[in-house]
Amino acid sequence: GDSVTQMEGPVTLSEEAFLTINCTYTATGYPSLFWYVQYPGEGLQLLLKATKADDKGSNKGFEATYRKETTSFHLEKGSVQVSDSAVYFCALRGDGSSASKIIFGSGTRLSIRP
Amino acid sequence: GAVVSQHPSRVICKSGTSVKIECRSLDFQATTMFWYRQFPKQSLMLMATSNEGSKATYEQGVEKDKFLINHASLTLSTLTVTSAHPEDSSFYICSASTRGEQYFGPGTRLTVT
Repeated sequence: GDSVTQMEGPVTLSEEAFLTINCTYTATGYPSLFWYVQYPGEGLQLLLKATKADDKGSNKGFEATYRKETTSFHLEKGSVQVSDSAVYFCALRGDGSSASKIIFGSGTRLSIRP
Repeated sequence: GAVVSQHPSRVICKSGTSVKIECRSLDFQATTMFWYRQFPKQSLMLMATSNEGSKATYEQGVEKDKFLINHASLTLSTLTVTSAHPEDSSFYICSASTRGEQYFGPGTRLTVT
C-alpha cells in the first residue's frame, strides 16, 4: 500500500541555518504530496503541496519539489527562525479527490535555537 | 474560510464512561469528514471516513462498536468513544474536505482516568 517515510527527528538547528527534511513516498499512480505543520498545542496546518511531477510547492519561505524519479518531496528553507519550531509531517493523497484519505509520515520535530 | 472546529478541546473522563467529540465545518459544507488519532510524538493514524447520511468506513483494526461515528449533517460529524479506558487516551483530530483540500480541526485531547 501507499506509504510515506520521512527523516526521524528531532532536528535542532541554530537560527538562520539551512533546513532540509527528507521525505520519500511509495504510491501507485500519481499522488498529491503535502507538507503539514503542527505547532505546539495546535492542530495541523497545510504548509504547502504539489499535485504533479516537477511541481514546486512553496509557502512562508519553505519549498518542496515533487520528484517522481526519486519519489521524493524534501522540505527546505534557506534561513530558519525560532518561530519555525514545530512538528512537520510529509503526507500523500492517492488521487485528486479531497474525499480520499491522507497518509502521513511519522513526523519530524524541529527545534530552532536563538 | 474553510475553518474546522472541534469540541471539546480537552476532556477528562472516568474509565467506563462514554465521551462525544464534535467536529464542525464552520463556513462550508463537507460531505466527507475524517477522524484521526495521534499518540504522543507519533503520526496521525486514520480511524475512519465519515460520509454524510451513510455509515462510516473504518480502517482495519479500529473497533466500530467502540468508536461510534455519526455524520448527521453536512457540517457536523461526531465521534463517541464508548466505555472508554485509559488506553483510549489520545489526541483525536478531525478533518473535512472541500474545494480539493482537507482542513483539520484543532484536535481534542482525551484523558481517561
